[in-house]
Amino acid sequence: QKEVEQNSGPLSVPEGAIASLNCTYSDRGSQSFFWYRQYSGKSPELIMFIYSNGDKEDGRFTAQLNKASQYVSLLIRDSQPSDSATYLCAVGVIIQGAQKLVFGQGTRLTINP
Amino acid sequence: EAQVTQNPRYLITVTGKKLTVTCSQNMNHEYMSWYRQDPGLGLRQIYYSMNVEVTDKGDVPEGYKVSRKEKRNFPLILESPSPNQTSLYFCASSLGTGIYEQYFGPGTRLTVT
Repeated sequence: QKEVEQNSGPLSVPEGAIASLNCTYSDRGSQSFFWYRQYSGKSPELIMFIYSNGDKEDGRFTAQLNKASQYVSLLIRDSQPSDSATYLCAVGVIIQGAQKLVFGQGTRLTINP
Repeated sequence: EAQVTQNPRYLITVTGKKLTVTCSQNMNHEYMSWYRQDPGLGLRQIYYSMNVEVTDKGDVPEGYKVSRKEKRNFPLILESPSPNQTSLYFCASSLGTGIYEQYFGPGTRLTVT
């Protein structure tokens, strides 16, 4: 079982709609959760982080964490064509004493004008 | 400007010719890491460093070496590159330990022929 799983997509959403991206993880002890946005050929850029159960809002972005169900999601409201990118979910884990971020493979999001 | 820099950004080389990719951060971060990104495989950690003179293997360390003699620098060394090391490489750094948000360099696209 992969440690962090995402639907690879592509996910196609019309402009102005809400884009919903989901991520599940396997380590119940995970403490930190991140969403990165990556444009093609560019480096990942941190969008949001969340450490506690519930919702965290930042502008058009909302991260949701449910530790009991082991999932984290990202909602993008009023989607814009510039939101078209691959979104990487990353989870902070401690494996055999080593602290690391484990990344999902990413969901490719396309916003259609 | 707070940033992680990598050089070179693009490199084409031949099998067996030793090369070094440099990474430097100006944020006084203790944690630094190297990743490679391949289509369908996502971001995979090569090596990481918790502090000066402290390095450890990530998920795919074979064929790579690193050193951390100064806090700001974390070079990646390929002693004898092979075609299967053709990839997009990212350096990242983090203020805290590896389970917190990491900031990525711009990437180095390496082609080994």
